Amino acid sequence: GDSVTQMEGPVTLSEEAFLTINCTYTATGYPSLFWYVQYPGEGLQLLLKATKADDKGSNKGFEATYRKETTSFHLEKGSVQVSDSAVYFCALEGGTSYGKLTFGQGTILTVHP
Amino acid sequence: DTAVSQTPKYLVTQMGNDKSIKCEQNLGHDTMYWYKQDSKKFLKIMFSYNNKELIINETVPNRFSPKSPDKAHLNLHINSLELGDSAVYFCASSQNSGVTDTQYFGPGTRLTVL
Repeated sequence: GDSVTQMEGPVTLSEEAFLTINCTYTATGYPSLFWYVQYPGEGLQLLLKATKADDKGSNKGFEATYRKETTSFHLEKGSVQVSDSAVYFCALEGGTSYGKLTFGQGTILTVHP
Repeated sequence: DTAVSQTPKYLVTQMGNDKSIKCEQNLGHDTMYWYKQDSKKFLKIMFSYNNKELIINETVPNRFSPKSPDKAHLNLHINSLELGDSAVYFCASSQNSGVTDTQYFGPGTRLTVL
């Protein structure tokens, strides 16, 4: 079946540092790819998405590019803020995951002032 | 105005009890979902409904029974609660069940079984 693998966390950074959270996937066909963010005590919010190869999703300074050749969708931000501290989930929909999101295990990000 | 709402936010109960969690969306979406998040933050689909019809039913014990009285509501009833049912349950909705449709999540219900 389909699967998503994220880099192990937790990740701890200082404010204004560069962020990369790796995400790779295994899927049949051409899934859509998503990054969701969960702030402490809250539900999940869509951060960005890409629906086909080479698409770049972007929002709030975060970016991720759908790379079919490497089956990856790495999340990046040039300068993180304390308010970015949250759990980040990579997810896919499509293939054998049609009609449902298959999530990675989540990466906890903590940003210190 | 909350797009996807769930009640209650917290639920503490004894083993063996029966409980329900309610979900409502005011986005006019056709598809609704239940996800379970375990203590390690791992999220997994449980059910999805499209226009009140069940379309996804993952490997979930039959003690869990979803009910969709209309397109805007999807409730989750759990019989004979067990310790392992303790988790955060998230409701979500999307316009349709297609690959490109964004799912919008509720705030979650934290269920603790003692």
